[in-house]
Amino acid sequence: ETGVTQSPTHLIKTRGQQVTLRCSSQSGHNTVSWYQQALGQGPQFIFQYYREEENGRGNFPPRFSGLQFPNYSSELNVNALELDDSALYLCASSLDSGTGNTIYFGEGSWLTVV
Amino acid sequence: AQSVTQLGSHVSVSEGALVLLRCNYSSSVPPYLFWYVQYPNQGLQLLLKYTTGATLVKGINGFEAEFKKSETSFHLTKPSAHMSDAAEYFCAVSRSSGGYQKVTFGIGTKLQVIP
Repeated sequence: ETGVTQSPTHLIKTRGQQVTLRCSSQSGHNTVSWYQQALGQGPQFIFQYYREEENGRGNFPPRFSGLQFPNYSSELNVNALELDDSALYLCASSLDSGTGNTIYFGEGSWLTVV
Repeated sequence: AQSVTQLGSHVSVSEGALVLLRCNYSSSVPPYLFWYVQYPNQGLQLLLKYTTGATLVKGINGFEAEFKKSETSFHLTKPSAHMSDAAEYFCAVSRSSGGYQKVTFGIGTKLQVIP
């Protein structure tokens, strides 16, 4: 059973550019969530996808968007990058969107915006 | 609304000493509670979780946590610290919000183990 995998692991972008981060969920999981973890902070919830639909969103602007595909893999897209977007982006998957489910995290994608 | 407070952003213990990492939560409904560990340059790994039932929860690597509703606490303990326990620990609370699982994390506690 493979866990949650993310790509790329590290990337550097220039302010104003766009970035796409990718995630493969754990086998059998239909729910994917994305989190932003700034340096020295806990993960902050960006949004959740359940069966290809966004069903929950945190306090992030619309330039943060996502997709979930029929195989339940997911993408996080960030447009018009700002310096403050520099962070570790974590993808997590769970069996479904139930409250007590364990969410399993990938290793993350480190984004640096210069 | 729900929130998580982790008391002490940095905790140092001697190898072999008791580890106690504090977590208090606020939630308007009975919460589901988690502790995760993050090693340098890695993602988060689940240590343990509380959903319902027994209030003392045992996790991996010898860690355990006790859910105390009256104190709204979910402190993490380990009887004897190992060097390999040095990492950052996050407490999290989960509840249903409009049909999705909303998980709120604390700011984290960095554990240093001194030889």
